[in-house]
Amino acid sequence: NAGVTQTPKFQVLKTGQSMTLQCAQDMNHEYMSWYRQDPGMGLRLIHYSVGAGITDQGEVPNGYNVSRSTTEDFPLRLLSAAPSQTSVYFCASSYSMFYEQYFGPGTRLTVT
Amino acid sequence: GIQVEQSPPDLILQEGANSTLRCNFSDSVNNLQWFHQNPWGQLINLFYIPSGTKQNGRLSATTVATERYSLLYISSSQTTDSGVYFCAPQNYGGSQGNLIFGKGTKLSVKP
Repeated sequence: NAGVTQTPKFQVLKTGQSMTLQCAQDMNHEYMSWYRQDPGMGLRLIHYSVGAGITDQGEVPNGYNVSRSTTEDFPLRLLSAAPSQTSVYFCASSYSMFYEQYFGPGTRLTVT
Repeated sequence: GIQVEQSPPDLILQEGANSTLRCNFSDSVNNLQWFHQNPWGQLINLFYIPSGTKQNGRLSATTVATERYSLLYISSSQTTDSGVYFCAPQNYGGSQGNLIFGKGTKLSVKP
C-alpha cells in the first residue's frame, strides 16, 4: 500500500492564482481531512470528510474548498491564493473519525 | 473546545538519556493520539491511547483521562528521536469530534 499520497510536494503561487492540492489514499478509509501547519503552531483543521459525498468545515475553512466524489480522493482547492495561505498542508485519513490517523508527506505552499 | 498544552516546548537531550513529555487538556476526552514529526516533516502516528498505558519499543505512553493529562516516555533516546512530538486529544461531542492538536514539544537529541 502506498498509504496517503499528496501532490505536489512544493508549489509557488502568485496572489490571486488558483490551484488544487491532491490527496489520495489506498486503505479504503472513510475519514479524510486537511490540516495546515504554520511555524511554531500545531496543526489546524481546514476541512474534513466522513465519507464519499460528505464534507464539513474545520477550524480554518475560509479560502478553501473541498469535495469528495470517491472514497480514495480528497482534493483541496484554493480559489484565489493569498499570502496568508503560505503554509505546509497535510492530508490525513483513518478508518473512521475515531481511529488512528495516518498522514501524507505534506505540500509546502508559498504564495507571493 | 478543548485546550491542549504541551510541555516542555523545547527539550535538548544527550543520546542515551530518558525523557518525559506531558500533554494537559482542559476537558474530558474520549481518545488521544501521539504523533512524531521528524526533521523532514513527516508525521508518524505513535500511539492511539484513550486511557491506560501502551508501550512500543523504547517509547511508552500513559493517558489518565480522569485527571486530564497524557505522558509520553522516551527511554535511551537516539538521534533519530529528534523532531516535534504532538499530542491530539479528541472529544466525540466537541469540535465536531475531530482531533485537536497541541503546539508540540521540540526534541533535539545530541550524539
